[in-house]
Amino acid sequence: QKEVEQDPGPLSVPEGAIVSLNCTYSNSAFQYFMWYRQYSRKGPELLMYTYSSGNKEDGRFTAQVDKSSKYISLFIRDSQPSDSATYLCAMSAEGGKLIFGQGTELSVKP
Amino acid sequence: KAGVTQTPRYLIKTRGQQVTLSCSPISGHRSVSWYQQTPGQGLQFLFEYFSETQRNKGNFPGRFSGRQFSNSRSEMNVSTLELGDSALYLCASSLGATKETQYFGPGTRLLVL
Repeated sequence: QKEVEQDPGPLSVPEGAIVSLNCTYSNSAFQYFMWYRQYSRKGPELLMYTYSSGNKEDGRFTAQVDKSSKYISLFIRDSQPSDSATYLCAMSAEGGKLIFGQGTELSVKP
Repeated sequence: KAGVTQTPRYLIKTRGQQVTLSCSPISGHRSVSWYQQTPGQGLQFLFEYFSETQRNKGNFPGRFSGRQFSNSRSEMNVSTLELGDSALYLCASSLGATKETQYFGPGTRLLVL
């Protein structure tokens, strides 16, 4: 079993939809939780990070961490075609290496 | 502020050869991490350097090695290339030892024939 599980999709939604992306993990030592966006043929771009549990909002993006369920989510409101990309969750323990999910390929149709 | 730069961007090698990839972190960043990205395995951690010392290492064979210089620039080397080493190699830098502010470069796409 992988330490971090992420549904690879692909996920296709109409413009304006609310998108929910999720990851589950098994290592209870994980404290740092990140979401990256990767466009085709580019490096991943840090979108949001959360330390420990809770919610964090940044514009149209909201990240949630539920450590009791070992489950993290990224919500995208009012999705745009420019949001079409692969979204990767990543997490690490204190001082540890970053472990990435497989990535979810998202397509937002105009 | 300039982002993370990686050279070369594309590389074609043959089995058995060796390759060296270079990464220049964001100015002021002292931590550099390397990752391998493939369609099948996703993004996998190779190693991390902080102030010229290797802090963490992933589960890759000894053919994969790296180093960091005093100016924080880093190189990774793969010896005796195998077909399965074809991948996108990504470098990421961060200010300190924690990962939440890690920024990635565009990657070096390596094709082994």
